[in-house]
Amino acid sequence: LAKTTQPISMDSYEGQEVNITCSHNNIATNDYITWYQQFPSQGPRFIIQGYKTKVTNEVASLFIPADRKSSTLSLPRVSLSDTAVYYCLVGSDRGSTLGRLYFGRGTQLTVWP
Amino acid sequence: DVKVTQSSRYLVKRTGEKVFLECVQDMDHENMFWYRQDPGLGLRLIYFSYDVKMKEKGDIPEGYSVSREKKERFSLILESASTNQTSMYLCASSPTGTDNSPLHFGNGTRLTVT
Repeated sequence: LAKTTQPISMDSYEGQEVNITCSHNNIATNDYITWYQQFPSQGPRFIIQGYKTKVTNEVASLFIPADRKSSTLSLPRVSLSDTAVYYCLVGSDRGSTLGRLYFGRGTQLTVWP
Repeated sequence: DVKVTQSSRYLVKRTGEKVFLECVQDMDHENMFWYRQDPGLGLRLIYFSYDVKMKEKGDIPEGYSVSREKKERFSLILESASTNQTSMYLCASSPTGTDNSPLHFGNGTRLTVT
């Protein structure tokens, strides 16, 4: 399974755009890139998923370059409530790898007033 | 919106007790999972089930068992609780038939074994 590397922590201020980059050099052809958000004492929550280029939803954007060896989660105009741990997962969640996507330590984002 | 409900948010049990953690999902998902989350170790898969009465071991099944008698309910059982099973337990579900469907998690049960 493709492992990922992302910063352990990031700081930002309210109203700023935050970009969290994840490296996944050994991503496989069938692998998707999925991001989750986790608040303290809660389960992770799905944010966004993509395979290539750019994906946008009401919460975030995901940028994936052509070589797919990295991806960037972009959170526009963060607020205090965006303070959380963000996980980047890479893999194909089916068959023998079902449920085994690697969550790792994630990135602790702290948003300051 | 998918809802995954875990029966307890906090649980304190004694060493040697038999412990049941219950999880219910309301979206008719085929797949259900139990993870534990520990600081510095991330999420680790204990067991999962892809259909009623079907179960598969995850990466750390020792000391645990599971039961899935109905599609919406997946139970994790600690046969004889030990202090090293003190952890946050997370249940999740996902549908089959769709590539890479995201996991839907419950809010977790923080279990303390004394």
